[in-house]
Amino acid sequence: GENVEQHPSTLSVQEGDSAVIKCTYSDSASNYFPWYKQELGKRPQLIIDIRSNVGEKKDQRIAVTLNKTAKHFSLHITETQPEDSAVYFCAARWGGDMRFGAGTRLTVKP
Amino acid sequence: DSGVTQTPKHLITATGQRVTLRCSPRSGDLSVYWYQQSLDQGLQFLIQYYNGEERAKGNILERFSAQQFPDLHSELNLSSLELGDSALYFCASSPGTSGQETQYFGPGTRLLVL
Repeated sequence: GENVEQHPSTLSVQEGDSAVIKCTYSDSASNYFPWYKQELGKRPQLIIDIRSNVGEKKDQRIAVTLNKTAKHFSLHITETQPEDSAVYFCAARWGGDMRFGAGTRLTVKP
Repeated sequence: DSGVTQTPKHLITATGQRVTLRCSPRSGDLSVYWYQQSLDQGLQFLIQYYNGEERAKGNILERFSAQQFPDLHSELNLSSLELGDSALYFCASSPGTSGQETQYFGPGTRLLVL
């Protein structure tokens, strides 16, 4: 089955700096890669996703890159703000089974 | 608000008991997914139903079962509960079965087994 590894597990940045979270996956058949943001005690919320036919996708301050050859994908947040502080999960999906990374706790210090 | 609803919000029960968690998908969505989130295991995919039929199975224990009803709501049944079953249980929904569809999560049910 799919195995997703996510790094780092914690990340602390200064407000205004960029944050990068990286994930690798094992199943080359995976073709959908969403990123979720989860605040304490709340539901995971989709912030951006990328499909396997695209190498990069951007939405305002958030971007995701995908390297299918190397089987890794990354989340980039620019101009970070305190409200970006949360746990971020990457995931990889093929068919019905979606596997999540272990999560990255991002702290943005004002 | 994602449009996915879950009840109850909180559930406290004892070891050995059985509970049922309920999920209503977004209007028009035919697929429902169940996930377990515990502190040491992260988000684990349990099972997917599509239009009443089981579609995919993940790390679901034999003590757990699920079903999806004709009105598309779904229930997750947890039996012979153990302390380690304490977790947040989320359901999510999507329109169909494409592996590239976005899944929208409900608010979750927090289960505490004492």
